[in-house]
Amino acid sequence: DADVTQTPRNRITKTGKRIMLECSQTKGHDRMYWYRQDPGLGLRLIYYSFDVKDINKGEISDGYSVSRQAQAKFSLSLESAIPNQTALYFCATSDPHRASYNEQFFGPGTRLTVL
Amino acid sequence: AQSVTQLGSHVSVSEGALVLLRCNYSSSVPPYLFWYVQYPNQGLQLLLKYTSAATLVKGINGFEAEFKKSETSFHLTKPSAHMSDAAEYFCAVTSSGSARQLTFGSGTQLTVLP
Repeated sequence: DADVTQTPRNRITKTGKRIMLECSQTKGHDRMYWYRQDPGLGLRLIYYSFDVKDINKGEISDGYSVSRQAQAKFSLSLESAIPNQTALYFCATSDPHRASYNEQFFGPGTRLTVL
Repeated sequence: AQSVTQLGSHVSVSEGALVLLRCNYSSSVPPYLFWYVQYPNQGLQLLLKYTSAATLVKGINGFEAEFKKSETSFHLTKPSAHMSDAAEYFCAVTSSGSARQLTFGSGTQLTVLP
C-alpha cells in the first residue's frame, strides 16, 4: 500500500464550484504539505501543517484553504474554483525529528481541471 | 531566503550518452539539496540528497551529484543514459532553519533519443 495517498486522482470541475482534495498518510509523520505544479514553474507551496493545531500559509495560499482533520489527514479546498487553478496538486509529508534535512515524501498527485 | 535555478528546461541526449542536468542554488545558511524525478503520470521520487556529509552523492538508477560550495552548484549526472531515464527532474533546496521548507527549481525535462 502507498504511504501517501491522494483522492481523487483526476477531477474536472466548473468555474465557481467548491472542490476538496484529500490526502492521507500512513507514515506517522507530523508535517504535511500541499503543493501545486505548473509547467515551467516547478512545485510551489500552498499550505503546510506542523501538526493538527499548527497550519501555515505557503507561497501561494490565496484562493485555497486547508483542514488538518487528524495527524494522518490533510485536505485542500478551493472555495470557488477558477480556471487558473488548473494544475497538478501534490501532498507531501515529512518528519524533521527523524533527520535534520527534513526529507519530504510525495503522494501520486491530483490532476485538477477547472473549466 | 533560498532559491534554485535549473538551467535548461529541456535536455535531449542519445541513449548511452552522458546526462548532465544543471542546478544552482542560493541559500543564506548551509543547504541541504535534493534531486527528485517525476515519471509520466506519477508523483515525485527522491533520486538523491546532499546532507553535508560527502560532497559526491550517489543515488538510485546510476545517478550521482556533486555539491560544489564555491560554485553554489549541485549538478546531476549519469554516465550512460537509458531510455527509461526519460522524465522530469527537479532540484530542491532546504536549510536547517525551523521551517525547513523545500524550494524547488522549475524542472528539466529529459528526453532520451534512440
